[in-house]
Amino acid sequence: GAGVSQTPSNKVTEKGKYVELRCDPISGHTALYWYRQSLGQGPEFLIYFQGTGAADDSGLPNDRFFAVRPEGSVSTLKIQRTERGDSAVYLCASSAGTGAVETQYFGPGTRLLVL
Amino acid sequence: DAKTTQPPSMDCAEGRAANLPCNHSTISGNEYVYWYRQIHSQGPQYIIHGLKNNETNEMASLIITEDRKSSTLILPHATLRDTAVYYCIVSGSGNTGKLIFGQGTTLQVKP
Repeated sequence: GAGVSQTPSNKVTEKGKYVELRCDPISGHTALYWYRQSLGQGPEFLIYFQGTGAADDSGLPNDRFFAVRPEGSVSTLKIQRTERGDSAVYLCASSAGTGAVETQYFGPGTRLLVL
Repeated sequence: DAKTTQPPSMDCAEGRAANLPCNHSTISGNEYVYWYRQIHSQGPQYIIHGLKNNETNEMASLIITEDRKSSTLILPHATLRDTAVYYCIVSGSGNTGKLIFGQGTTLQVKP
């Protein structure tokens, strides 16, 4: 079956612009996670959805970052007034449930470059 | 969640077993040990997880010490396609399932 997909695969934008990154989880997966990975570092947790609600947004760096999952499936990560430091790979993962033993399946990521 | 310590890099000859160590001395009783790997320019891929018993699947084996303070991931017959960054993660049932990644071990499999 289809895995987690993310669009676009690459995004180049200018400082100060607004961007939206999309994640299509595996069908039927109720849990969805966003991570950010800077060059040479491991992925860093941003936000977690269980269904439509953000159950844990403790990893969002500031209020320029926002994510939604209105119908409990597709999620969009929104970044306002982008800064050069936002350049990174944004990864999305989904799992069938939540908790300690649910395998997370990752998408290929969106590579964001802010000029 | 407990912190993990891994060597930054390791080499392995193709066809030989790759043994990747991980220290997690502050692990608590309800925390699992997970291993993920990330091949260049791809998203992380789940490999295996365990609580206290040794585990084996089609990809690898996980050996957890009796005191649970360390573990070893074993790739029994490494191939060039196993070259990747390997992450050892400790995660408990009390959290949301979010994964806290460290720097991982870069495994280079050489012909």
